[in-house]
Order: sequence, then structure tokens, then C-alpha cells
Amino acid sequence: AQTVTQSQPEMSVQEAETVTLSCTYDTSESDYYLFWYKQPPSRQMILVIRQEAYKQQNATENRFSVNFQKAAKSFSLKISDSQLGDAAMYFCAYRRDYGQNFVFGPGTRLSVLP
Amino acid sequence: DVKVTQSSRYLVKRTGEKVFLECVQDMDHENMFWYRQDPGLGLRLIYFSYDVKMKEKGDIPEGYSVSREKKERFSLILESASTNQTSMYLCASTPMRWTGAHEQYFGPGTRLTVT
Repeated sequence: AQTVTQSQPEMSVQEAETVTLSCTYDTSESDYYLFWYKQPPSRQMILVIRQEAYKQQNATENRFSVNFQKAAKSFSLKISDSQLGDAAMYFCAYRRDYGQNFVFGPGTRLSVLP
Repeated sequence: DVKVTQSSRYLVKRTGEKVFLECVQDMDHENMFWYRQDPGLGLRLIYFSYDVKMKEKGDIPEGYSVSREKKERFSLILESASTNQTSMYLCASTPMRWTGAHEQYFGPGTRLTVT
């Protein structure tokens, strides 16, 4: 069975600085998709960024980018120019190709310090 | 704007009560999911439905059942609530596509406390 690990339960970053959240996963599949979700305090979970495993190029969405290392089964999220609104729980998730279910990691709570 | 809504944000129930959590999506999605979210454990799948009246057990189905009578609505039922079911419950939906990086859309969550 696939598993997703986030080794940092909590992290903090100064406003305007850069922070990287780690995610590793275990799978025997070659085709799959990876996601980072953000859950702000008392608010809805939303998608931050996604990556197709067949793409070598790392995904980027404005201040958010990923470092996808397929051989190492690593999928880290980099947040540049951190803002107070980035404070949230961040979940890494995996879905295999031709699968319907998602597997989530335990989450990392990010605090942004003014 | 896509929407997944859940019937309650906060719910307090007594041990032994039958509890219904309702979820509605307006995106015509085939797939709907119920998760339980606990600190340090992430999201764990309780049940999954890929069509009306169809359901599949997830990782932690014990003590729960589900109902999907209409495509847009997916209900989670706690037949006899227990204190260890105190948790945050999240509903999500996706379209039925076998490939592609389609995302899950989430509801706001229901924080259930069983006393």
C-alpha cells in the first residue's frame, strides 16, 4: 500500500522569508500524481499545487514551487516570500494513475512570524 | 464556483446517539469521499462512493455507514456514537476520471464531539 510521510509536524518562518516543507512517499507505481493541499485555521482545504510524475519539470504556482525527485520519492514544497496568510496545515497527497483514492500525509503546521 | 457543503460545522452528540453527517456537492461529480482528520494522523478514508447507491470501504470503516441516494448527496452515519469518534469529518468529491491530475474538492468540515 502507498504511504505518504511528512517528517516535520510543525515549522515556522519569518514573513517574507522562504520555507520548504518535506514530503516523501512510498509506491511501486510509475505513473501517479502528487498534490499539496493547504488547510487554513477553521477554513476549507484547498489545492496549492499538483505534479504529474511523468513530468520532469517541477510545478510552479506563483510563490509556491515543488522539488520533485522521482527516484528519491520526494516531493517538497517551497514557499517564497512567505505571507501571514500562508499560515496553515499543509498536507501532501498521492494518487496513482487509474486510481480514484488519495493518500494523505499527516500534515505540517506552518506558522508565519511577523 | 465549485462547492462542497456540509450540514454542520460543529456538532455535539451523546454516546449511543445515531448521528447523520450530510454532504452536498454541486459539481456533478461521480466520486464522493468521507474522511476523518485527527492530529498527527492526517486524513483517513472512511468510505468512498463512485456512483449512486455504490460504496466502498476505506481504511477505517468500523462504526460508520454511508448512504448515497442522489448523485449530489453523500451521508455519513454513526449508528451508535462513541467518544472515540470525536473528530473532524471532511467530505470531498472528484470527477470520475481514471487519469489526469484532477484534484479533490473539500467541504468545510464538521467537528463532531461525542460526550
